[in-house]
Amino acid sequence: NAGVTQTPKFQVLKTGQSMTLQCAQDMNHNSMYWYRQDPGMGLRLIYYSASEGTTDKGEVPNGYNVSRLNKREFSLRLESAAPSQTSVYFCASMIGTGLDEKLFFGSGTQLSVL
Amino acid sequence: QKEVEQNSGPLSVPEGAIASLNCTYSDRGSQSFFWYRQYSGKSPELIMFIYSNGDKEDGRFTAQLNKASQYVSLLIRDSQPSDSATYLCAVNFGNEKLTFGTGTRLTIIP
Repeated sequence: NAGVTQTPKFQVLKTGQSMTLQCAQDMNHNSMYWYRQDPGMGLRLIYYSASEGTTDKGEVPNGYNVSRLNKREFSLRLESAAPSQTSVYFCASMIGTGLDEKLFFGSGTQLSVL
Repeated sequence: QKEVEQNSGPLSVPEGAIASLNCTYSDRGSQSFFWYRQYSGKSPELIMFIYSNGDKEDGRFTAQLNKASQYVSLLIRDSQPSDSATYLCAVNFGNEKLTFGTGTRLTIIP
């Protein structure tokens, strides 16, 4: 049972390049989340999807787009990367708020934008 | 804006002592509270959750919740060097997502 799988683990981009971070969970969870973590800033929510077919902005959505492809997969896209997007990105999932709110995290993607 | 506040530390505790980590939150109506542990370079992992006022114990860990004071704490008894990590407090403000504090870095001194 893999849990939450994120790819890639590391990525270096040049300013203006685009990329997609992939996330998949095999726990049949309804809700999925993308967080970024910067030193001294804690985990900040970028986007989330409370259920298949819905997505909503979090605290820091600018410069990102998401797609909830199906119940298992939730991708995060950077259309034109900027140095300010250098961060560690975590995907997470939970069964659903009001049900079982334990959040399970992927192993993270370390992204550097030069 | 819903906020979760933690002292960033670092907090240094001798091995075998009790480590006490604190967290305050901004919304008195919040229902669910969580403590995550994050080792350097790793992803957060859930170690405790609490929904009701009072104490909840799990092994060497105790979570304490006081909704009137908007305060949640984590006690680690008999601290071990393996407890050295950053501890993240998270709160569900009732809006389908968890809000995290900035974390407290804990170092256990052998």
